[in-house]
Amino acid sequence: EAAVTQSPRNKVAVTGGKVTLSCNQTNNHNNMYWYRQDTGHGLRLIHYSYGAGSTEKGDIPDGYKASRPSQENFSLILELATPSQTSVYFCASGERDSQDTQYFGPGTRLLVL
Amino acid sequence: GEQVEQLPSILRVQEGSSASINCTYENSASNYFPWYKQEPGENPKLIIDIRSNMERKQTQGLIVLLDKKAKRFSLHITDTQPGDSAMYFCAASPNYNVLYFGSGTKLTVEP
Repeated sequence: EAAVTQSPRNKVAVTGGKVTLSCNQTNNHNNMYWYRQDTGHGLRLIHYSYGAGSTEKGDIPDGYKASRPSQENFSLILELATPSQTSVYFCASGERDSQDTQYFGPGTRLLVL
Repeated sequence: GEQVEQLPSILRVQEGSSASINCTYENSASNYFPWYKQEPGENPKLIIDIRSNMERKQTQGLIVLLDKKAKRFSLHITDTQPGDSAMYFCAASPNYNVLYFGSGTKLTVEP
């Protein structure tokens, strides 16, 4: 099965601080995704990438940046964290243009105080 | 893009009965419809999917129906067991690269 890992698994940050969430996949998938999950909203797409050097805005990109330095790694950056960004963040990977599923990482629980 | 509505948000059923979750979508170009199950504290995992060239798919107690004309698809879990208790998410994709998720259904199977 596809292997997607995330770090850290839990993070407490202060308002106004910078937070970086990291994701690594060993499946050689072209596409990678960042979602946040909040009660009542399901999974909402923040940013995604088609490959190294590529980042695309999802449905809720405001307040977030993304970086894809390599095929394996995809980071989500909160330059100025706010309490409204308290959430669970999932990274996923998948093949490009493929009728195949996305594989999710274990999630990162972020609390912004 | 795409908008996916999922109902109900909460579903309680008796063990051994069936459970049904319904989703609607807006973009007629959507052609891939996966369903994910998420256990508490875990990540979402694909349980079944259907593509636009099919109307029905069945696997291991799960049935998915797709009505493209009505832009509606549904998940039916037959003979529910306590282990089926979880969050379920439907999703739709118009281009295979991006999934748009429904808001989820919390299923509780009561003994």
